[in-house]
Amino acid sequence: DAGVTQSPTHLIKTRGQQVTLRCSPKSGHDTVSWYQQALGQGPQFIFQYYEEEERQRGNFPDRFSGHQFPNYSSELNVNALLLGDSALYLCASSSHGTEIETQYFGPGTRLLVL
Amino acid sequence: LAKTTQPISMDSYEGQEVNITCSHNNIATNDYITWYQQFPSQGPRFIIQGYKTKVTNEVASLFIPADRKSSTLSLPRVSLSDTAVYYCLVGPSSYNFNKFYFGSGTKLNVKP
Repeated sequence: DAGVTQSPTHLIKTRGQQVTLRCSPKSGHDTVSWYQQALGQGPQFIFQYYEEEERQRGNFPDRFSGHQFPNYSSELNVNALLLGDSALYLCASSSHGTEIETQYFGPGTRLLVL
Repeated sequence: LAKTTQPISMDSYEGQEVNITCSHNNIATNDYITWYQQFPSQGPRFIIQGYKTKVTNEVASLFIPADRKSSTLSLPRVSLSDTAVYYCLVGPSSYNFNKFYFGSGTKLNVKP
């Protein structure tokens, strides 16, 4: 049973560029959430996708956008990159409608903005 | 959403039992308590989840008093590989689209 997978593992971009990160949820899961984790801090919720729509959003600007595909995989897009966007980006999947919604996290994508 | 408060760091020695307490005074009736473990440059890993009293699995135990305003994660006989950051989360169960809020966590350092 494959867990949550993310690609790429590492990425280096320059300010102003755009980046796309990808996530495949755990088998049987239909909900994907994205988090940003700066060094030394806890993960910060960006948004959550279910049925190909954004359902919840954290306190992140519109430069952060996402998409969910019919196979439940998801992409996180960040436009006009800033130095402060350097972080570990985590994807988590869960199953909507279960009594207790436990999230399972992927290994993350480390983004460095120069 | 209920805010959580945890110690910033804790030290322990191999073989000892470690108890990490999380305070969540504003926990709501339908909130569950979940603990995650995170190693450097890895995603958080689910450890245990509970609603009240005591929950035990193969990794840890979770103690929740009757008022549910705090919870204690208990790790029996820790080893060096248990050195990690531990996060306590409080939030509603499913049937809603939940935002999961992580605090700063507790950095556990296990010494030989």
